[in-house]
Amino acid sequence: AQSVTQPDIHITVSEGASLELRCNYSYGATPYLFWYVQSPGQGLQLLLKYFSGDTLVQGIKGFEAEFKRSQSSFNLRKPSVHWSDAAEYFCAVVLMDSSYKLIFGSGTRLLVRP
Amino acid sequence: DAGITQSPRHKVTETGTPVTLRCHQTENHRYMYWYRQDPGHGLRLIHYSYGVKDTDKGEVSDGYSVSRSKTEDFLLTLESATSSQTSVYFCAIRADRDGQPQHFGDGTRLSIL
Repeated sequence: AQSVTQPDIHITVSEGASLELRCNYSYGATPYLFWYVQSPGQGLQLLLKYFSGDTLVQGIKGFEAEFKRSQSSFNLRKPSVHWSDAAEYFCAVVLMDSSYKLIFGSGTRLLVRP
Repeated sequence: DAGITQSPRHKVTETGTPVTLRCHQTENHRYMYWYRQDPGHGLRLIHYSYGVKDTDKGEVSDGYSVSRSKTEDFLLTLESATSSQTSVYFCAIRADRDGQPQHFGDGTRLSIL
């Protein structure tokens, strides 16, 4: 069955430090992958997506992610974290049937130390 | 921002009462989805729609029904609310083009006492 695993429930980084959030997926074919961010009390905002082509994708707010088929991973990175990046981050894979529904990981909450 | 409006944004009700949540879009997208979000579970699909009057179940559909009589509106109904349905509910929409992501509304926080 298709699934997405985000192994880190919480991550704390200092402002200005680099960030990597891990995402592993289980999917039988080439996946379409997304990262979303959720600020408290808000909906989910799309950060970036991958569905073909270059395995390093750029997103909004200075985020990037790298698709590694051999490791079944799609990790999110940012070179220098800002306090406003504190939020919850979700990785998701699209089920490529007639529904196009998303299978989400359980999320990683990012805390930023001043 | 995607034109998605969820109403109400907050609701408190009692066990056994019917509840209807509304999702309204201005994008004319074909696909609409209802998710629930609970701590430790991420988002889980309740029901989705692929056109007017065309709906199907997701992974956590028990106790919920949906209707879509117009392209722009997708209603989620809890016929007889239970405390286990206390959650935050999100609506999402998706254009019918390859590679298109889902865009989410701001959510409805529902508490069932």
